[in-house]
Amino acid sequence: KAGVTQTPRYLIKTRGQQVTLSCSPISGHRSVSWYQQTPGQGLQFLFEYFSETQRNKGNFPGRFSGRQFSNSRSEMNVSTLELGDSALYLCASSLARLNTEAFFGQGTRLTVV
Amino acid sequence: GENVEQHPSTLSVQEGDSAVIKCTYSDSASNYFPWYKQELGKGPQLIIDIRSNVGEKKDQRIAVTLNKTAKHFSLHITETQPEDSAVYFCAASNDYKLSFGAGTTVTVRA
Repeated sequence: KAGVTQTPRYLIKTRGQQVTLSCSPISGHRSVSWYQQTPGQGLQFLFEYFSETQRNKGNFPGRFSGRQFSNSRSEMNVSTLELGDSALYLCASSLARLNTEAFFGQGTRLTVV
Repeated sequence: GENVEQHPSTLSVQEGDSAVIKCTYSDSASNYFPWYKQELGKGPQLIIDIRSNVGEKKDQRIAVTLNKTAKHFSLHITETQPEDSAVYFCAASNDYKLSFGAGTTVTVRA
């Protein structure tokens, strides 16, 4: 059974640009959540998608957005990149919502220069 | 919101010894507590979890205990091996999101 797949693995972008990251969850999983991991702030919740709808959003500016498709694949977008957006972006896949096991992908390492 | 504190931040143990990591949480509504292991260059890997209706759970060399009254939970790794060296994260969840501790870097000395 394939795990959570995130693409690309690495990205280098310039300040002011925008970026789109992709996540394919485990087959059959309908919930996808995104987290940002940085040395200073640790792992922080960005948003959760279930059945193509954003169900919850963390404390991040509106430059961070996402969506989920009918096949449960999800994308997140960051516009007007800032240096502080440099981080490892992780996608977690769950069978359902509400306290079910969450499995993470390997992440996308975004560097903003 | 939920606040999870994790201790210690670093832990060095001799191969074969035990390792214990402790976490406390603030939201009494939290009812799901997973532990993750993260190796360099990889995403967090779920290694064990416990729900609020259970006090202890064991899986081979790994065990987790939960004290809901005191709002703390712990990870115990027995007979540590070099491959246990990694960063370990505790987390707490009461609904849709996981709130993570800051992580513990475990080094197993051969």
